Amino acid sequence: EVQLVQSGVEVKKPGESLKISCKGSGYSFTNYWIGWVRQMPGEGLEWVGIIYPGDSDTRYSPSFEGQVTISVDNSISTAYLQWSSLQASDTAIYYCSRHEVVAVLYAGPPDHWGQGTLVTVSS
Amino acid sequence: DIQMTQSPSSLSASIGDRVTFTCRASQGISNYLAWLQQKPGKAPKSLIYAASNLQSGVPSRFSGSGSGTVFALTISSLEPEDFATYYCQQYYTYPQTFGQGTRLEIK
Repeated sequence: EVQLVQSGVEVKKPGESLKISCKGSGYSFTNYWIGWVRQMPGEGLEWVGIIYPGDSDTRYSPSFEGQVTISVDNSISTAYLQWSSLQASDTAIYYCSRHEVVAVLYAGPPDHWGQGTLVTVSS
Repeated sequence: DIQMTQSPSSLSASIGDRVTFTCRASQGISNYLAWLQQKPGKAPKSLIYAASNLQSGVPSRFSGSGSGTVFALTISSLEPEDFATYYCQQYYTYPQTFGQGTRLEIK
């Protein structure tokens, strides 16, 4: 069974750093893209970025480029989303998703989702 | 970025009704379109990919259509568990982008 299990709730102060995780199991981790999506309170879904664990090819939405970093550790089948300096506006639920490869360099649609990680940034 | 626009923003319907949601892309995306369902407090669930293909385990009352810039998601006969918010997502190019969602409520 394919599963994406995300790390738990985080409560941080502005300016702090954070790294949340998404662990894949039940499939070959390096053969599928892992994407990240933000959902701010009461709002819709926003695409943050995506990484291909096979070669660490990473793409970001222009809205998030430079604000976050996506990475992977293939030895433990885990993808990460990290911030070096959080802001209150980063308060949201972050979801990871698995995507098949549809063409060289291109990710397909999501087929499995993590349960989400709630990040709250408040002084 | 490709803009995805969904209509309506919300819809009230009854059990057994047939409902259709629309999603429009700001430029042609072939059939690189997915539909997602999200219930309150839950992660999204993938329903449809390539505009019209059901993900594994998705009931056949869901169907998708369209190509290019106009797409539709139809639920042929609403069940109680279908009341949720529905999003379209294009994966034709980066960044992948979502529509703003259509909230389906019980009448």
